[in-house]
Amino acid sequence: DTGVSQNPRHKITKRGQNVTFRCDPISEHNRLYWYRQTLGQGPEFLTYFQNEAQLEKSRLLSDRFSAERPKGSFSTLEIQRTEQGDSAMYLCASSLVAGGMGNQPQHFGDGTRLSIL
Amino acid sequence: GEDVEQSLFLSVREGDSSVINCTYTDSSSTYLYWYKQEPGAGLQLLTYIFSNMDMKQDQRLTVLLNKKDKHLSLRIADTQTGDSAIYFCAEAPMEYGNKLVFGAGTILRVKS
Repeated sequence: DTGVSQNPRHKITKRGQNVTFRCDPISEHNRLYWYRQTLGQGPEFLTYFQNEAQLEKSRLLSDRFSAERPKGSFSTLEIQRTEQGDSAMYLCASSLVAGGMGNQPQHFGDGTRLSIL
Repeated sequence: GEDVEQSLFLSVREGDSSVINCTYTDSSSTYLYWYKQEPGAGLQLLTYIFSNMDMKQDQRLTVLLNKKDKHLSLRIADTQTGDSAIYFCAEAPMEYGNKLVFGAGTILRVKS
């Protein structure tokens, strides 16, 4: 399977704990995006990387959230001191941006569903 | 500003056509997208249209774009029960690094 892979699929944790999610993009894709989706809503942008550089962060991304993409391949999203309001589906997407091709569509993984007790 | 709006719910009979509508706000979007989400799953890219096109057909799917009114529609011909899902329209404004801005989704229910 060469699609976007996210782990874990589900995470249940107590309020105040730290959690980390991983995303493995499609291998040749240089852009990686994180989105958050709450029940009944469309996904909302959190942040994105071009290769290893984090180029934009949404104001939704509080200082408890941090994302990395150290080698320009997989990415991790960490939430520290989780709160009830962090319960959501966290989606990762990747795309290829290359000169002359324009921006190609984003392809999504199946997400990590986070539940805060 | 960024705002994508969709109707919340559509119910059709199996074999009929479904039309899901969407309005968007940012005329700088180069592409406009339709994604499908089944319960507990991520988003599946269905189709997309380049902003200088009026129509795109892909098997049972037809996308119509009216740039003047900033209106996008997705028509599914011969709708099947397997098409039951949530459908999201998304725009990718140029000035926002091509992040996707989604509508709240349209729930499509197909009755057999």
